[in-house]
Amino acid sequence: GAVVSQHPSRVICKSGTSVKIECRSLDFQATTMFWYRQFPKKSLMLMATSNEGSKATYEQGVEKDKFLINHASLTLSTLTVTSAHPEDSSFYICSARGGTDRSYEQYFGPGTRLTVT
Amino acid sequence: LAKTTQPISMDSYEGQEVNITCSHNNIATNDYITWYQQFPSQGPRFIIQGYKTKVTNEVASLFIPADRKSSTLSLPRVSLSDTAVYYCLVVAFQKLVFGTGTRLLVSP
Repeated sequence: GAVVSQHPSRVICKSGTSVKIECRSLDFQATTMFWYRQFPKKSLMLMATSNEGSKATYEQGVEKDKFLINHASLTLSTLTVTSAHPEDSSFYICSARGGTDRSYEQYFGPGTRLTVT
Repeated sequence: LAKTTQPISMDSYEGQEVNITCSHNNIATNDYITWYQQFPSQGPRFIIQGYKTKVTNEVASLFIPADRKSSTLSLPRVSLSDTAVYYCLVVAFQKLVFGTGTRLLVSP
């Protein structure tokens, strides 16, 4: 299957700072990327959908000014958690979908564990 | 988006066959049924996808009745490493929305 990477895999930051997480599709062009967050023993919660070259669409209740998403190329999307607080500590997962005839398939990254102290 | 319902948890033993059923009464004509597996602190991994009848790959089988209002993921001869959360989703071209998933625990 297709490969999606995330960087970093783990990050610890201090409260009030910003953190950027990268999501890359390594062997296909991702026309659409998705960002999820997951709390311990909970399901994945979709945060936003981003299409290359356009603004992200955020799910209800997700602050777009706090979670900045950029999808500048067909292989890279970034999520920036601005002015992070301890309650932002979570597991962030991206997924990518190509614009092929099998466009219902999504490939997930390995996730990024964010800890805000 | 079609809502899915699946058991919260299941227990099994090594070597047994495990069947996880998912109901999706509001599935649309264009929707496919997709199952993902997730281990702790990892992203979900695609297992299998189908539209109707039966689909089989090297890791699982997916059974879908004619009305498509439910589906059953079958894992043959599970091992300890199959302990994970299994998510059933129905999707066409829109975003994937995860339900609660089924936490499968395989014991020796």
